[in-house]
Amino acid sequence: AQSVAQPEDQVNVAEGNPLTVKCTYSVSGNPYLFWYVQYPNRGLQFLLKYITGDNLVKGSYGFEAEFNKSQTSFHLKKPSALVSDSALYFCAVREDTNAGKSTFGDGTTLTVKP
Amino acid sequence: DAGITQSPRHKVTETGTPVTLRCHQTENHRYMYWYRQDPGHGLRLIHYSYGVKDTDKGEVSDGYSVSRSKTEDFLLTLESATSSQTSVYFCAISESTGGYEQYFGPGTRLTVT
Repeated sequence: AQSVAQPEDQVNVAEGNPLTVKCTYSVSGNPYLFWYVQYPNRGLQFLLKYITGDNLVKGSYGFEAEFNKSQTSFHLKKPSALVSDSALYFCAVREDTNAGKSTFGDGTTLTVKP
Repeated sequence: DAGITQSPRHKVTETGTPVTLRCHQTENHRYMYWYRQDPGHGLRLIHYSYGVKDTDKGEVSDGYSVSRSKTEDFLLTLESATSSQTSVYFCAISESTGGYEQYFGPGTRLTVT
């Protein structure tokens, strides 16, 4: 079985400050990890993924995420937050042998204040 | 944006009636998925397809059926709609290479009264 936890329902940061949105996961095999973003009244957009290789992956809009195997975490980060980053963020995981079934976290609402 | 459309975008229906939602893609991707999004539950997989006529159940498949007769179309049917199926439904697609990251349609808001 696979699962994802996003421990914070809400994250608030000031514009210009660094942001972190946390994600931990559980899978039996090797994990494929993803971050998606949902802007208000919009569909979800793919941000970035980790499959293998470098533990720090870079994605769209200046976001990056760090894979930590020992802590089973995949936290989303950005060095300097923008008001336009305010959105709902989802972490997702699937096992490398299970192409069809990704499991999504419950989401974290990020609010960036001017 | 990936070429994914969903129809209808909004629907209000009565309890007990059948409802079909359509997802159409122009990307020729092998995998297609149906999710529902509810407050506090994130996204939950209903069914997915890994090819024409090839489908499998997700975690919340009861009360739903799917069909895929063409690569580009994936239909979700609520056989007899209930109020608990009021939700926002998202279709997604992914290629069968790389990480299988998913690309989502705009969603269908379904209200069952």
